Amino acid sequence: NAGVTQTPKFRVLKTGQSMTLLCAQDMNHEYMYWYRQDPGMGLRLIHYSVGEGTTAKGEVPDGYNVSRLKKQNFLLGLESAAPSQTSVYFCASSYFGPGSSYNEQFFGPGTRLTVL
Amino acid sequence: DQQVKQNSPSLSVQEGRISILNCDYTNSMFDYFLWYKKYPAEGPTFLISISSIKDKNEDGRFTVFLNKSAKHLSLHIVPSQPGDSAVYFCAIYDGKLTFGTGTRLQVTL
Repeated sequence: NAGVTQTPKFRVLKTGQSMTLLCAQDMNHEYMYWYRQDPGMGLRLIHYSVGEGTTAKGEVPDGYNVSRLKKQNFLLGLESAAPSQTSVYFCASSYFGPGSSYNEQFFGPGTRLTVL
Repeated sequence: DQQVKQNSPSLSVQEGRISILNCDYTNSMFDYFLWYKKYPAEGPTFLISISSIKDKNEDGRFTVFLNKSAKHLSLHIVPSQPGDSAVYFCAIYDGKLTFGTGTRLQVTL
């Protein structure tokens, strides 16, 4: 099993450009998440999904959109990139989700995005 | 207002000694507390957790202690090994995970 994979690993964008980050998991997990990690800030939740066709906002959703058309994939889109979106983006998935006793989340290796 | 704080950004410990990583939280209504470990260029991986109804959980060299009255969580690693060198994040779970800012542990020979 590959676990959670992310594409691409690195990307450099100019301000105003758009891009989509792809996350895929092969563990048949219902729940998927997108986080960003910035220096001194820890990981912050951008959006999450509790199942195919559903998405919800996290702590820092502004400037991002997401889609979950297939259970195994969770896409994060930046329509008009800004320098403030320079960060490392992590995708995660879990078997259990909100409302369960706790959920262990499995993380992908991350995508390092720089917006100039 | 940050709910989870790791006040030590870095820690250096000699191989074989005990590493103690600390975490403070501000809200009492959490179900679980977790520790994640992160190596460079990799995603975080789950290390150990503790339920809010317990005060200690042990897994091999790793022990997590929960002091609810002080709203304090700690991770003890003993003995520390060079492979333990990584960034450690504490996280609280109340339906979603909220992470601390991380502590970089360096285990020296």
